[in-house]
Amino acid sequence: DSGVTQTPKHLITATGQRVTLRCSPRSGDLSVYWYQQSLDQGLQFLIQYYNGEERAKGNILERFSAQQFPDLHSELNLSSLELGDSALYFCASSVSADRGNQPQHFGDGTRLSIL
Amino acid sequence: GESVGLHLPTLSVQEGDNSIINCAYSNSASDYFIWYKQESGKGPQFIIDIRSNMDKRQGQRVTVLLNKTVKHLSLQIAATQPGDSAVYFCAEGSGGKLIFGQGTELSVKP
Repeated sequence: DSGVTQTPKHLITATGQRVTLRCSPRSGDLSVYWYQQSLDQGLQFLIQYYNGEERAKGNILERFSAQQFPDLHSELNLSSLELGDSALYFCASSVSADRGNQPQHFGDGTRLSIL
Repeated sequence: GESVGLHLPTLSVQEGDNSIINCAYSNSASDYFIWYKQESGKGPQFIIDIRSNMDKRQGQRVTVLLNKTVKHLSLQIAATQPGDSAVYFCAEGSGGKLIFGQGTELSVKP
């Protein structure tokens, strides 16, 4: 158990809809990262938050947004969903963003299926 | 651009043998590398990491080797067990984010 909690585990919805994925980082971790894993693209970094502020951005679509709350949990919002958004979405956390690279610990993901 | 790739997509080994999973990276400025194991239905699980000021690092039954001259990384698993069957990813740390390779599926035959 990595200590990172993601909910829900599975999500099935239709095109055009909006969903919110939730992540609770490991106790003591201040940084949260979101990744997308699909069969054709592998694991792709989306966005990072550190102590409530956006720190780095990767291949995240404009239809997607994220935030980190004062209690350090994070949410990833996906809107105007398309079939191609079907994927596994992982959250990871690490202790700090200010100590250079360090291990990120992953949750078990949310499987999003768009019908 | 930056990329991390794996030489072999699949690897099949006999139980008890040693496994070696290889990874190539392209950014010579990279200074952090990490290996993950992903089992079906689970998230990537941290195995071991190494910084560019080291050539070798050992953990429990695992060793990571870094060859900066040829930009190559490998993960060695000693006495491979059926529970080691999974997909293994190498990743390169860049500005806090991880850039993942495509993964190698390790299959352990009893």
